[in-house]
Amino acid sequence: SQQGEEDPQALSIQEGENATMNCSYKTSINNLQWYRQNSGRGLVHLILIRSNEREKHSGRLRVTLDTSKKSSSLLITASRAADTASYFCATDGGNTGKLIFGQGTTLQVKP
Amino acid sequence: DADVTQTPRNRITKTGKRIMLECSQTKGHDRMYWYRQDPGLGLRLIYYSFDVKDINKGEISDGYSVSRQAQAKFSLSLESAIPNQTALYFCATSRSGYTEAFFGQGTRLTVV
Repeated sequence: SQQGEEDPQALSIQEGENATMNCSYKTSINNLQWYRQNSGRGLVHLILIRSNEREKHSGRLRVTLDTSKKSSSLLITASRAADTASYFCATDGGNTGKLIFGQGTTLQVKP
Repeated sequence: DADVTQTPRNRITKTGKRIMLECSQTKGHDRMYWYRQDPGLGLRLIYYSFDVKDINKGEISDGYSVSRQAQAKFSLSLESAIPNQTALYFCATSRSGYTEAFFGQGTRLTVV
């Protein structure tokens, strides 16, 4: 089964609003990552947060990690139409080294 | 040129045919992965390889096989394609110790 479960599955907001996506996982991790996928294209890495970090920022992105709850959230502030895409969390499965992805959140930002 | 190149980009094949999807990378990464993407199911790991002599099954390896011909090349084969293998397939690479992955553009496979 999938390591990561994402919520919501779909999100539609107006340009300028903030978008929050959540990810839950099942096993211990060394790090958690977020990726973006434009329709039918390859995934692009956005940000990585290590298990000993609680929060990380990159531009308009803010990621939090709560290892006690096995959950993470991705916040995109001041969204733009160009942020329309699917967003996936991925975990490294602890010491396995393999990357396991969640089901993704499809974000639509309306201009 | 793309760092991770998948060929072909699109393929239509008939049930029962053998088909190979190829992936090559110029990033010098030791780890390579094959994923399958279906609508609503995210990406599921088929096989992964940490070096040329290390091949591991992922979540959904049945019906698939792989070959790591060199550090830069990782091929996925469907020995006898079936319609429920119709999907978007992605190759990815990463460097050991850094699990950030770099993806190819994908191969859209249709089995009729």
